[in-house]
Amino acid sequence: AQKVTQAQTEISVVEKEDVTLDCVYETRDTTYYLFWYKQPPSGELVFLIRRNSFDEQNEISGRYSWNFQKSTSSFNFTITASQVVDSAVYFCALSEWKGLGTYKYIFGTGTRLKVLA
Amino acid sequence: KAGVTQTPRYLIKTRGQQVTLSCSPISGHRSVSWYQQTPGQGLQFLFEYFSETQRNKGNFPGRFSGRQFSNSRSEMNVSTLELGDSALYLCASSLTGVDTEAFFGQGTRLTVV
Repeated sequence: AQKVTQAQTEISVVEKEDVTLDCVYETRDTTYYLFWYKQPPSGELVFLIRRNSFDEQNEISGRYSWNFQKSTSSFNFTITASQVVDSAVYFCALSEWKGLGTYKYIFGTGTRLKVLA
Repeated sequence: KAGVTQTPRYLIKTRGQQVTLSCSPISGHRSVSWYQQTPGQGLQFLFEYFSETQRNKGNFPGRFSGRQFSNSRSEMNVSTLELGDSALYLCASSLTGVDTEAFFGQGTRLTVV
């Protein structure tokens, strides 16, 4: 069965702290994509990253980094030196690729991050 | 470059009515997908349209439907509204689909009373 678990419902950190958001997924497929999105208070989702199942290289983009480990079915997201503007709800998502442009797509329940000044 | 535009931003409807929501994607994007977000069920994928054809569908009843026009603009329709349909409906556009970066609109907040 396809499933995405974000066990951390809410995290509060003080500005400049590092924080890691966990994402564990379940899938039987060998071809799939993993995503992270940010939803600030304004409501619109912001795409952060997409990773396919064949690319286990970690990714770093500025203060953001992602650790993809197929062995533990995890795709964790770390914010280094957090800032107040990072306060948002973060969603992890899984897309099982069925070929010819078709897929099954589900989201985790989200982690609300509060960065305190 | 204009972003994804969803109209209206807010809507109040009565149970049993139907509603149509609109999404104008970024110019050049051929894929439009729709999502429902509620406090109880979270964020769920509704469907995706690509070049005027529904290519993918989530697990929603037939009351939820959509279409895409030749200019890639998309509409989503919900018939026979139920209280549980109250939600934030988000639209996203991308060049070719889920394998490329998606850009989201600000959503339409639908309240069913």
